[in-house]
Amino acid sequence: NAGVMQNPRHLVRRRGQEARLRCSPVKGHSHVYWYRQLPEEGLKFMVYLQKENIIDESGMPKERFSAEFPKEGPSILRIQQVVRGDSAAYFCASSQTGGVQPQHFGDGTRLSIL
Amino acid sequence: DAKTTQPPSMDCAEGRAANLPCNHSTISGNEYVYWYRQIHSQGPQYIIHGLKNNETNEMASLIITEDRKSSTLILPHATLRDTAVYYCILRGGGADGLTFGKGTHLIIQP
Repeated sequence: NAGVMQNPRHLVRRRGQEARLRCSPVKGHSHVYWYRQLPEEGLKFMVYLQKENIIDESGMPKERFSAEFPKEGPSILRIQQVVRGDSAAYFCASSQTGGVQPQHFGDGTRLSIL
Repeated sequence: DAKTTQPPSMDCAEGRAANLPCNHSTISGNEYVYWYRQIHSQGPQYIIHGLKNNETNEMASLIITEDRKSSTLILPHATLRDTAVYYCILRGGGADGLTFGKGTHLIIQP
């Protein structure tokens, strides 16, 4: 019973490049959440998606960041023109339905910007 | 901002019960209490959640006071692998993102 799978586990990019982070939710889960954890800080909610729809993106920076969860395939968090301040751990979580169902997290992607 | 208050750190001897408190005096009637933990360099791990009744699963027990203004997570027989940051989180019935506070850094001593 595979859990949430994130890849890559580590990603290194130079300033100005694009970063693509992938998240495969638990099989059967149609709700996906992305969180960011800056060094020495707590986790911050970024965006919530339900198959092909963005439900809540209130925590996501308005520029350079986008997220999608297509009908087929993993959810993608895309960061364009990365800057040093984007260096962080990015975690994905999924739940079977909304409501009180708990979210289950992957082990994250560590993004380092040179 | 997180609506819960937790001590920043706690120690517990291996094999003893670890009792982690959480204050949530402004909890709303439809908000559940969730507990997660994060072991260093891993993703948060769901532990347990409850509304007003005490809950128990294979990992832990959750005790919620009658007025729901505070709760306690109990790890009955702590092991070294339970060393982690523990987060107490309130969440309504909607499918919204979790708001993580600073949590409690629980250190299990051998």
